[in-house]
Amino acid sequence: DAGVIQSPRHEVTEMGQEVTLRCKPISGHDYLFWYRQTMMRGLELLIYFNNNVPIDDSGMPEDRFSAKMPNASFSTLKIQPSEPRDSAVYFCASSRGRTSGNTIYFGEGSWLTVV
Amino acid sequence: DQQVKQNSPSLSVQEGRISILNCDYTNSMFDYFLWYKKYPAEGPTFLISISSIKDKNEDGRFTVFLNKSAKHLSLHIVPSQPGDSAVYFCAASGLGNSGYALNFGKGTSLLVTP
Repeated sequence: DAGVIQSPRHEVTEMGQEVTLRCKPISGHDYLFWYRQTMMRGLELLIYFNNNVPIDDSGMPEDRFSAKMPNASFSTLKIQPSEPRDSAVYFCASSRGRTSGNTIYFGEGSWLTVV
Repeated sequence: DQQVKQNSPSLSVQEGRISILNCDYTNSMFDYFLWYKKYPAEGPTFLISISSIKDKNEDGRFTVFLNKSAKHLSLHIVPSQPGDSAVYFCAASGLGNSGYALNFGKGTSLLVTP
């Protein structure tokens, strides 16, 4: 079975540009999560969806960040405009929720560098 | 406010010996705890978990212990192998706190030397 698929794997962009990160969750998983990893803050939850509906977006840093899940097999995380402090690894993850013991499965991450 | 804390950023252990990674949490609503392992340039992968109704769960060389009164859990790896060298993240979840999402510690980098 395919795991969580993220694209792009690496992105280098200039400050002020729009960045779109993409995620395809594992088929049959009804929870999707976006996490960000930085040295300072570790792995922090940005937002998560259940059945394509955003449940908790309290971790989204500011209005420059937005996330959508138009269907069960696709989600995007958009940063507009991007800033150097957004440089981090962004992970998408999915799960079946508590019916699977709440184990979530991560993609390989999107490495974002904003210069 | 870090609700899951891993106070040791790094740990070095000799091959064959026991590795003990520690984790503390502050939220008494947490009822499910997990350990993830992460290699460089890869996403975290699930290793082992424990529910709050248990105090121990074992899977091969990996054992997780939970002390609810102390809000503390630990991961024991016996015997440690060089391939275990990675960053280990402790995670917790509980109804009432971001629901089904996991709260992660900052990780402990384990180095197993030959």
